[in-house]
This record gives sequence, C-alpha cells and structure tokens, in this order.
Amino acid sequence: GIQVEQSPPDLILQEGANSTLRCNFSDSVNNLQWFHQNPWGQLINLFYIPSGTKQNGRLSATTVATERYSLLYISSSQTTDSGVYFCAVEETSGSRLTFGEGTQLTVNP
Amino acid sequence: DTGVSQDPRHKITKRGQNVTFRCDPISEHNRLYWYRQTLGQGPEFLTYFQNEAQLEKSRLLSDRFSAERPKGSFSTLEIQRTEQGDSAMYLCATTSGVYQETQYFGPGTRLLVL
Repeated sequence: GIQVEQSPPDLILQEGANSTLRCNFSDSVNNLQWFHQNPWGQLINLFYIPSGTKQNGRLSATTVATERYSLLYISSSQTTDSGVYFCAVEETSGSRLTFGEGTQLTVNP
Repeated sequence: DTGVSQDPRHKITKRGQNVTFRCDPISEHNRLYWYRQTLGQGPEFLTYFQNEAQLEKSRLLSDRFSAERPKGSFSTLEIQRTEQGDSAMYLCATTSGVYQETQYFGPGTRLLVL
C-alpha cells in the first residue's frame, strides 16, 4: 500500500515563530488532507489539497502532486497551535485515508 | 464540532468483555468510515460503508470485530472478547460521497481494556 512519511516528527517553537511541516507519499493520490489533532483527540480538518496552494489565515498548504509531497506552513505560531499535525492521503476517490505518523508541535509562550 | 458524534466518549472494560460503539454521521452523509488510533500513531483504517453496504474491511479487522450500518444512517462497531491490545481510540468519519470531498471525523471513543 501507499506509504506516507511526515517530518519532522517533533517540533518545538517559541510563540511567533514560523514553521514548515512536510509530507511525502509514495504513489499518486486522489486526495490529500491536513488535520490538526487537539489534546482531546479531535481531528480537525485544515486543508483538502490534492494539488496546488491554499491559505487559511496563518496557515497555508502546498501540494506538488507530480513530486509526491505536500507542505504545511504555520506563520506567527500561537500556543493554541500545539498538537499533532497529520497528513492523510486517499489513493482513489471515496476510499480509505492513509495517515502519516504525524508531527508533534509544541509552541511555548 | 464537525457534526459527527460518537458514543460513548470513553469506555473502560475488562479483558474478555464485549463492547459496542456508536457513530452518528452528518445528516445525508452516505459514506461512513471507522479508524483505530493507538498512542503515538496516526489513525489506521478499519472498514467503510456506503449507505448500508460494507464495502471494504482492513486485515486489522479480526473476526472479533464486527461493524454494521443497518439503515444507512448510524453505525455500530462491536468488539467481542476484548484483549488488552484493543485499547485505542476508535474514530468515525463521514463524507457525502461527492467526488473529492473531505472526510469529517467524530470526537472518537477511547477504549481501555484492563
């Protein structure tokens, strides 16, 4: 099956810093989503981005499907950004999501 | 709140007992997925339904696990003869089935098997 690798596995920042999270995948995909998992375990959709670039406030994401990677940018980080960020891919439309192992982000005040 | 609800939110049980979890999807979402997440890992796919039909099951879904979606609305996931290795977060996600659409996740049921 498809492999999804995320880096870095852990990231510690001071409030106000910027960061880039990376997701590599081993085969072509129909869909790619970025999620934030809060401390209570809720997965929150950040972006649906099979290709191209999207922005939502301080967050933006870029997927280069032909090179099989996606990047999540967090600017001016806040303590509430802390948590685990997951990348998940869908090989064919409507099928399962395959998740990476996540990036644990800690933003210190 | 994504609109997907799960019940219970937490369950503690003794090894060997049966447990059942429920997922209520967003109204009119006809695709429903179950995932399992263990500590420090990403969620792993278990099974999914389109309406009431169970279309795919992962090899992770042993014969002790069974899932149903009897009327194409809510779904249940039952684990029989629980083992300590079943301790995990069980997540439900739904979509409307429209081409290229986000999966929306519920808050999960956290299971601890003693």
